Amino acid sequence: LAKTTQPISMDSYEGQEVNITCSHNNIATNDYITWYQQFPSQGPRFIIQGYKTKVTNEVASLFIPADRKSSTLSLPRVSLSDTAVYYCLVGDPVTGGGNKLTFGTGTQLKVEL
Amino acid sequence: GAGVSQSPSNKVTEKGKDVELRCDPISGHTALYWYRQRLGQGLEFLIYFQGNSAPDKSGLPSDRFSAERTGESVSTLTIQRTQQEDSAVYLCASSALAGGSDTQYFGPGTRLTVL
Repeated sequence: LAKTTQPISMDSYEGQEVNITCSHNNIATNDYITWYQQFPSQGPRFIIQGYKTKVTNEVASLFIPADRKSSTLSLPRVSLSDTAVYYCLVGDPVTGGGNKLTFGTGTQLKVEL
Repeated sequence: GAGVSQSPSNKVTEKGKDVELRCDPISGHTALYWYRQRLGQGLEFLIYFQGNSAPDKSGLPSDRFSAERTGESVSTLTIQRTQQEDSAVYLCASSALAGGSDTQYFGPGTRLTVL
């Protein structure tokens, strides 16, 4: 199972770009990298998913180096509402399987004025 | 369409009692997951259902925990003889496992408090 490691917490200010890096040294060939966001008292919400290089959507970018042993979630111009816990997840999306999709410890992002 | 729903939203029970938690996945989603999240902790995988395959129960912490799913619809997580350490939020997620993606859609969770 690909275990992930993330910083426990990060602080930022409104309008700044935030980059959260996740390490996954044992990532398997078929594994994708997915990031989720969780607000207090809510279930996690999908943000972005990628396999290699760079993926961008309307809320974030995901950078994955060639060796795929890490990935970086980039949030442009954060606002107070981006304060949440961010989880990095690696696994095989085709077969799914819960335990095959191992949630990391999560990074608590705090955005201030 | 409707998202994943869970009931009850909150459950307070006494130690030793049994509880049943319900999850209604998104219609058409073949995969269903149960997770446990203790206060201030990350998500802990419990069990996974995929279509008609045998469920992956590798995350269940003890034989007091069990879950069932009828076809590709409702799932019920049962905790027998509850203990105080069972207090947590129990999250359910479903996914379509389609198009090379396993994006999980989570319900709001059931907050279980064992007194």
